[in-house]
Amino acid sequence: EVQLVQSGAEVKKPGESLKISCKGSGYSFTSYWIGWVRQMPGKGLEWMGIIYPGDSDTRYSPSFQGQVTISADKSISTAYLQWSSLKASDTAMYYCVRRTSLVGGTIDYWGQGTLVTVSS
Amino acid sequence: QSALTQPRSVSGSPGQSVTISCTGTSSDVGGYNYVSWYQQHPGKAPKLMIYDVYKRPSGVPDRFSGSKSGNTASLTISGLQAEDEADYYCCSYAGTYTLVFGGGTKLTVL
Repeated sequence: EVQLVQSGAEVKKPGESLKISCKGSGYSFTSYWIGWVRQMPGKGLEWMGIIYPGDSDTRYSPSFQGQVTISADKSISTAYLQWSSLKASDTAMYYCVRRTSLVGGTIDYWGQGTLVTVSS
Repeated sequence: QSALTQPRSVSGSPGQSVTISCTGTSSDVGGYNYVSWYQQHPGKAPKLMIYDVYKRPSGVPDRFSGSKSGNTASLTISGLQAEDEADYYCCSYAGTYTLVFGGGTKLTVL
């Protein structure tokens, strides 16, 4: 069974750094792209970026380029999303997703989500 | 990329059919046959219901169907059931490895 299990909820202050994780299991982690999707409170879904754990090839949505860093450690089947300096506007639910390919490509599995709250 | 346009809400009675539209541009919906639809119940992660415009993953009831005409994709749910009440999001490939989502549609089963 394919599973993406994300790290737990975080409460941070503006300016702090954060790294959340997503562990894949039940499939070949290095053979699929892992992406990240943001859902701000009461809002829709936004595509952030994607990484291929096999070679760490990473692509960002223009809206998120320079705002976050996506990485992966294939030895432990885990992808990461990190911020160097959080802002209140980063408060959102973040989902990791499995995407079947880079061109086109369907999101076929979702993690359970990690709620990030940034407040002073 | 701008978000795809979906109606904020739709409703229907049990047993009826409803259709949710998703309008984009020739750079996303109209340009590729890579439209997918996701169902999200409150407090839950989204679930894939339709991919590549009309294909259904294993386990998704055939009451759910997808189509596309020009820059507009549609999700039709026939034989509405109470458990279909949820938010629905469309998603399209938008070139340069990017995906774009719709704003979401709240389906109410009356």
